Amino acid sequence: TQLLEQSPQFLSIQEGENLTVYCNSSSVFSSLQWYRQEPGEGPVLLVTVVTGGEVKKLKRLTFQFGDARKDSSLHITAAQPGDTGLYLCAGDYGNKLVFGAGTILRVKS
Amino acid sequence: EAQVTQNPRYLITVTGKKLTVTCSQNMNHEYMSWYRQDPGLGLRQIYYSMNVEVTDKGDVPEGYKVSRKEKRNFPLILESPSPNQTSLYFCASSLSWGAGNTIYFGEGSWLTVV
Repeated sequence: TQLLEQSPQFLSIQEGENLTVYCNSSSVFSSLQWYRQEPGEGPVLLVTVVTGGEVKKLKRLTFQFGDARKDSSLHITAAQPGDTGLYLCAGDYGNKLVFGAGTILRVKS
Repeated sequence: EAQVTQNPRYLITVTGKKLTVTCSQNMNHEYMSWYRQDPGLGLRQIYYSMNVEVTDKGDVPEGYKVSRKEKRNFPLILESPSPNQTSLYFCASSLSWGAGNTIYFGEGSWLTVV
């Protein structure tokens, strides 16, 4: 059982559509991070959220940390083909970073 | 250029033949760790090191060893590889541990054990 559950596992959408990826847990995390990974490369950090209820924006990406610091979401507005990739959430759990299984996003032009 | 370098990038080996995957970072980072990535499971931590000579087990340490004799290097050792260790391995580092620190990942090492 994953400590962090991500949904959906796969998402295939048309360019211009909006989407939301969810990351849920029954555990409280001191911080949560979102990464994007492209084929043949390591994950690259997009954002870190620390405070419950925190919202951060990165261009067309909006990240939210749940009030209880147990869940997070990533919303992409007007998706573009360049957004295609594997999106991973990861939580700070003691001295370890615990990852969700990831969401594979494909944006078709 | 700041980077985490892993070698080899690709390796096919046979069951039982000891191998080492090297990891080196040039950012003077204290924290280093190893992950394996498998389909449907995300990244799972194998071992981590808070600083030189300090290492600890992650979630899936069985069958692996590490050492941290100097700050920049953190090799992953498979004493007797088995087919279930076929995976994509990532080394990562950060200045220290905590929410304000960016974790940098290497490009990955594809390992196949036959």
